[in-house]
Amino acid sequence: EAGVAQSPRYKIIEKRQSVAFWCNPISGHATLYWYQQILGQGPKLLIQFQNNGVVDDSQLPKDRFSAERLKGVDSTLKIQPAKLEDSAVYLCASSLGRGLGETQYFGPGTRLLVL
Amino acid sequence: AQSVTQPDIHITVSEGASLELRCNYSYGATPYLFWYVQSPGQGLQLLLKYFSGDTLVQGIKGFEAEFKRSQSSFNLRKPSVHWSDAAEYFCAVSMMNNQGGKLIFGQGTELSVKP
Repeated sequence: EAGVAQSPRYKIIEKRQSVAFWCNPISGHATLYWYQQILGQGPKLLIQFQNNGVVDDSQLPKDRFSAERLKGVDSTLKIQPAKLEDSAVYLCASSLGRGLGETQYFGPGTRLLVL
Repeated sequence: AQSVTQPDIHITVSEGASLELRCNYSYGATPYLFWYVQSPGQGLQLLLKYFSGDTLVQGIKGFEAEFKRSQSSFNLRKPSVHWSDAAEYFCAVSMMNNQGGKLIFGQGTELSVKP
């Protein structure tokens, strides 16, 4: 079974530029998550989708971050414009359902450096 | 507020020695607890999880964890560490959000293994 795929793996941009990350979850997984992992910290949930609807985006900086999951499969996370503090690893995860005990499966992440 | 604390930022053990990584949580209800491992440049991999029942949980790669409600702890253990266990370890608790669950992670413990 293929795991969660993410691209690109690395991205370097200058501040105020825009950037987009792509995620393809495990086939059949209804729930998709985007996490931000700043160096030295644990992952922090940015947004959670159930199929193509948003379940939780309470920690998404909506003035610069946006995400979509068209057709309930692939997802794209965008940052526009980027700030220095956005330098982090962006992890995508998916799970079969969205219950309390659901196991989340993580992709390899996209490492973003904003100069 | 719900939170997870991993008191040790970095631990070094000798190969073959035993290991214990500490995790304390703050959560009002019965917690769903997880341990994930992250190798350099990789996503997070689930080691084990606890929902209910036996408080000693067995996981992959020879790891186990013990849930102690009285101490609000979920410490990870391994009797004999291998060099390949060097990685970052994250403890997480699942909490409710909009009829689903989301993970709250600790800040991680980096494990180094001496030959």
